[in-house]
Amino acid sequence: DSGVTQTPKHLITATGQRVTLRCSPRSGDLSVYWYQQSLDQGLQFLIHYYNGEERAKGNILERFSAQQFPDLHSELNLSSLELGDSALYFCASGTGDRGRETQYFGPGTRLLVL
Amino acid sequence: GDSVTQMEGPVTLSEEAFLTINCTYTATGYPSLFWYVQYPGEGLQLLLKATKADDKGSNKGFEATYRKETTSFHLEKGSVQVSDSAVYFCALSDNNLFFGTGTRLTVIP
Repeated sequence: DSGVTQTPKHLITATGQRVTLRCSPRSGDLSVYWYQQSLDQGLQFLIHYYNGEERAKGNILERFSAQQFPDLHSELNLSSLELGDSALYFCASGTGDRGRETQYFGPGTRLLVL
Repeated sequence: GDSVTQMEGPVTLSEEAFLTINCTYTATGYPSLFWYVQYPGEGLQLLLKATKADDKGSNKGFEATYRKETTSFHLEKGSVQVSDSAVYFCALSDNNLFFGTGTRLTVIP
């Protein structure tokens, strides 16, 4: 158990809908990272927040957004969903504000868009 | 830009065989290097890491050495077990974490 929690574990929705994925980092970690894992694209970095501020963006679509709240949990919002958004979404947490430190991954949210 | 190239799988080995999974990287700076493992139905777990050239990371019988001259970080284990069956990801971190495509290892009794 990494100490990172993600909810929900599974999500099934329809095209065009909007969903919110939630992540709670390990106690004491200020950084939250979001990743998408799909069969064709592999594991891709989406976005990084540190202590409430966005620090870096990766291959995140404009239809996706994220935020980190004062209690340090983070939410990833996916809107206007398409079939191709079906994937595993992981969050990870770390102590520092750069990507160099060890990141601890949650169990993931499996999203299926029908 | 930064990238990681990892040996394609799948890899199937008999128990107690020697394992090597190749990983090479491209980076503009001096990244930290990691191996993560993903067991079926689970998230990624850090297996080992190295933060500078010539460092050797090791854990659970696995090891990898940060080789700056060959830009490599190959994963090795002397004797694999059935419980090592998983997907292994090489990754580098400069400002963000870049993953390889993953190598699926299956160990058969």
